[in-house]
Amino acid sequence: AQKVTQAQTEISVVEKEDVTLDCVYETRDTTYYLFWYKQPPSGELVFLIRRNSFDEQNEISGRYSWNFQKSTSSFNFTITASQVVDSAVYFCALSEYSSGTYKYIFGTGTRLKVLA
Amino acid sequence: EPEVTQTPSHQVTQMGQEVILRCVPISNHLYFYWYRQILGQKVEFLVSFYNNEISEKSEIFDDQFSVERPDGSNFTLKIRSTKLEDSAMYFCASTRDRDSPLHFGNGTRLTVT
Repeated sequence: AQKVTQAQTEISVVEKEDVTLDCVYETRDTTYYLFWYKQPPSGELVFLIRRNSFDEQNEISGRYSWNFQKSTSSFNFTITASQVVDSAVYFCALSEYSSGTYKYIFGTGTRLKVLA
Repeated sequence: EPEVTQTPSHQVTQMGQEVILRCVPISNHLYFYWYRQILGQKVEFLVSFYNNEISEKSEIFDDQFSVERPDGSNFTLKIRSTKLEDSAMYFCASTRDRDSPLHFGNGTRLTVT
């Protein structure tokens, strides 16, 4: 069965520290997508990144970077020089293809608290 | 940038009452979804909808739940007889095609008393 594990329930860092959020997944599909979403205190889900299973190139977007390693089934997310506005719950998700469409399997989320 | 719009943002209802949650997906999107997040927990898939019919539904989506796209722009989730455990944030999502990321609405917080 498809599964996404975010072992870190909550992380607290001081502003300007770097922080890495871990995500480990399980799937039998050969083609799949991985995602990160941010859920700020206001509750909405904000799309951050999508990764195709065939693209293991790491990606950097400003202070955000993602490390996808198929060999360890991990898709980790690093925030460099964290800011208070980064405080949120971050969800990793895996797409599962069935019945002609994709649905997402979400991890349980990691709550990040960035302290001033 | 186009958005998925959900109304209301917060709905309070009494146990046993029917409730309809409304969503307006992005206009050129073809695949529609409802997800649920019980407070403090993970986001769970409820149902997917394409070509005017349900593509897949989860175990949560029992006979008390139904979805409809009545007029080509709205996508609704109906709960016929609400229970206390239906209290959650309900997210609508849509996508243009199966390979594109889902765009989520801001959610409707349903409180059943």
